[in-house]
Amino acid sequence: DTEVTQTPKHLVMGMTNKKSLKCEQHMGHRAMYWYKQKAKKPPELMFVYSYEKLSINESVPSRFSPECPNSSLLNLHLHALQPEDSALYLCASSPVGVGGNQPQHFGDGTRLSIL
Amino acid sequence: GQNIDQPTEMTATEGAIVQINCTYQTSGFNGLFWYQQHAGEAPTFLSYNVLDGLEEKGRFSSFLSRSKGYSYLLLKELQMKDSASYLCAVRVRGGNTGGFKTIFGAGTRLFVKA
Repeated sequence: DTEVTQTPKHLVMGMTNKKSLKCEQHMGHRAMYWYKQKAKKPPELMFVYSYEKLSINESVPSRFSPECPNSSLLNLHLHALQPEDSALYLCASSPVGVGGNQPQHFGDGTRLSIL
Repeated sequence: GQNIDQPTEMTATEGAIVQINCTYQTSGFNGLFWYQQHAGEAPTFLSYNVLDGLEEKGRFSSFLSRSKGYSYLLLKELQMKDSASYLCAVRVRGGNTGGFKTIFGAGTRLFVKA
């Protein structure tokens, strides 16, 4: 078990559905991240939130909409996804700071399949 | 652009030592991380280097040379459970607000055989 909790663990949805992925951490981290990971590939950064504000959007299509309602929660709203969006979606958190050892703590991910 | 290179696969024997290399070309370097990822699981943090030199942590050590854009992860006394992917990741400045982001290499799949 990790200190970053993601729900659901698995999600199957059609291309017209709307669903949300949820991420929660209680380590007091003020930076939170969404990554997309395809099989045998490294995690690809999607979004970074710092102090609940979106600081980085890696040119992600608008069918993915992030939301950070408070310092412990991070959501990813999904709408009109494509089959190629099927992947493992990882949430991570870390302290915010210029330097120092600030590794990201990852959740177990949500395995998303688009039919 | 940002680029991180590491070998795709390596095989080593239980009890041996293995070195996984990583070279990077990035701008705004602010530290290098090594993560371990077992198949179907989340990456877990192994080590961090921001200054040149060697960091030792039990069976794992990591080295960094910023001038050469080079790092390695050294695993000693290999165990079967060490079979996993090892991800080299570089933290760089990114975004409009001057925040940081982490770029991951493609990972090195390590197979430990008996």
